[in-house]
Amino acid sequence: AQSVTQLGSHVSVSEGALVLLRCNYSSSVPPYLFWYVQYPNQGLQLLLKYTTGATLVKGINGFEAEFKKSETSFHLTKPSAHMSDAAEYFCAVSGPTSGTYKYIFGTGTRLKVLA
Amino acid sequence: DAGVTQSPTHLIKTRGQQVTLRCSPKSGHDTVSWYQQALGQGPQFIFQYYEEEERQRGNFPDRFSGHQFPNYSSELNVNALLLGDSALYLCASSFDRSNYGYTFGSGTRLTVV
Repeated sequence: AQSVTQLGSHVSVSEGALVLLRCNYSSSVPPYLFWYVQYPNQGLQLLLKYTTGATLVKGINGFEAEFKKSETSFHLTKPSAHMSDAAEYFCAVSGPTSGTYKYIFGTGTRLKVLA
Repeated sequence: DAGVTQSPTHLIKTRGQQVTLRCSPKSGHDTVSWYQQALGQGPQFIFQYYEEEERQRGNFPDRFSGHQFPNYSSELNVNALLLGDSALYLCASSFDRSNYGYTFGSGTRLTVV
């Protein structure tokens, strides 16, 4: 069965500092991996995704993530945090095989950006 | 180009009642999935509809049912509401069963009292 673990339910960074949000997954098959962002009282917006190919994935708003199979990780990074990055971030895994279309989400990491 | 549209945005129901939530997928999308997001949690998969049939279902009781119409819009029905059903219900759409990244709506906030 697939699962996702997000380390750190709350992360605080100073404006301009590096953002690092951690995600580890468990999957018996090569997974599809996603990062979504959720602003208050809104739905989820796709930041980036890994399906196949290049393991370093660039997304919107300056975010990127690297798929590391050996570490079963897909951490999200951004070189310089902006106040507008404050939100909840969710990592999700899905399987491309066996008709597995559902996403398994982590419990989320709330990012706080300090002025 | 309209994204995923959900209605209503907020809803208050009493225990034991029934509720219907509606979703219009993004233009060009033919697959609709429903998720439940309890407060402080990640979304949990309820089910997915494709070609008007339930194609995959998560670990939710039969009180949760759905429907997809020929125009690809979808409804989520919940019977015999419990306090624990209070959550944000998210609809997500995609094209041709692809799970290359769903588009989510803003959700319906259901409160059961």
